[in-house]
Amino acid sequence: GDSVTQMEGPVTLSEEAFLTINCTYTATGYPSLFWYVQYPGEGLQLLLKATKADDKGSNKGFEATYRKETTSFHLEKGSVQVSDSAVYFCALGGTGGFKTIFGAGTRLFVKA
Amino acid sequence: DVKVTQSSRYLVKRTGEKVFLECVQDMDHENMFWYRQDPGLGLRLIYFSYDVKMKEKGDIPEGYSVSREKKERFSLILESASTNQTSMYLCASLGGGENTGELFFGEGSRLTVL
Repeated sequence: GDSVTQMEGPVTLSEEAFLTINCTYTATGYPSLFWYVQYPGEGLQLLLKATKADDKGSNKGFEATYRKETTSFHLEKGSVQVSDSAVYFCALGGTGGFKTIFGAGTRLFVKA
Repeated sequence: DVKVTQSSRYLVKRTGEKVFLECVQDMDHENMFWYRQDPGLGLRLIYFSYDVKMKEKGDIPEGYSVSREKKERFSLILESASTNQTSMYLCASLGGGENTGELFFGEGSRLTVL
């Protein structure tokens, strides 16, 4: 069945460091891909999405490109801030029905 | 501002008690979902509903039931709570079409079963 695998955390970075969180997927059909973020004490919120191959989603300085050939959707940010400390979830959907499949989540800590 | 509201942020219940978790959305969305979130396991789908009075089992429905009597409200019921149901429960609604759209989440209900 469909699945999402993302790198285990926690990831600890200093402020202004470069961030990559890896995400790969297995899916039949042509899924949409998402990154959600969960700040402490809150629910998840959509960070960015891409609905077809080679699309790039971007928001708040974060980017991810839908790579069909490598079945990947890695999250990147050029310069992280303390306020980016959160849990990041990679997800896929749209392969039939309304279900969204989530990865296990990656916790990011950014030190000042 | 669009919103998904979960009635209780924190609950403590005893084994065997019946537990109701309520969720209300104000976006007129057709589809609503209940997930549980556990460390290292991500989000797992318990049940979802695509219309009033309609429900479908997700990946882990055992020990849970749901109710959707009105479009805006989706309730999760634990008929007889057990300690392995201690978890964070997240309600969500889906906007923007069949899964090319965005899930909108509530803030979560953290349930502890003693």
